[in-house]
Amino acid sequence: QLQLQESGPGLMKPSETLSLTCSVSGDSISTRNYYWGWIRQPPGKGLEWIGTVHYDGSNYFNPSLKSRVTISVDTSKNQFSLKVNSVTAADTAVYYCARLALWFREVSPWGQGTLVTVSS
Amino acid sequence: QSALTQPASVSGSPGQSITISCTGTSSDVGGYKYVSWYQQHSGKAPKLMISDVSNRPSGVSHRFSGSKSGNTASLTISGLQAEDEAEYYCASYTSISTLIFGGGTKLTVL
Repeated sequence: QLQLQESGPGLMKPSETLSLTCSVSGDSISTRNYYWGWIRQPPGKGLEWIGTVHYDGSNYFNPSLKSRVTISVDTSKNQFSLKVNSVTAADTAVYYCARLALWFREVSPWGQGTLVTVSS
Repeated sequence: QSALTQPASVSGSPGQSITISCTGTSSDVGGYKYVSWYQQHSGKAPKLMISDVSNRPSGVSHRFSGSKSGNTASLTISGLQAEDEAEYYCASYTSISTLIFGGGTKLTVL
């Protein structure tokens, strides 16, 4: 059974770089038929797609975040990672990692999510 | 990119049917069959309920169904049960190869 698990710091200061890792178990991340991505949810608000990466390195990003976001894949560890530069309080959210089918036709499964709080 | 438009809330009594709409444009919902729906219970991760407008993944109750007309997709839940009370989000692939979500709809089972 495919499972995803996010890890990373829960508390950050403004202007720092947010770094999260998603560990994938139950299947190889090196599959042609799926992408791997990040989605976030500010407290009490809706879902926002951040970006998506394929094991071959191709990626897609939310235009509103593209300038600050990097998503990479480590096939040797069966993991993928998210970096967001110059965070502010507006980046406070639960961050989910997930598997996405081609054309992002479905997002499943999702990790349990990890809360990242940006505060001075 | 602006979020797809969903009603903020809907409600229904046990046994009734409800429909949640999701309105976009010809560049997303109207242009592709890649609309999906997610159920999120409080404090939990979202769960895929419908993909490709109307496809129900294995394990999802037959009470959940999806459809689309023009730029508006819809999720219908029949035979409402207390466990259906949750937030529901639609999502669509877009013409610029991005994924866009709806603002979410809170379903209350009276």
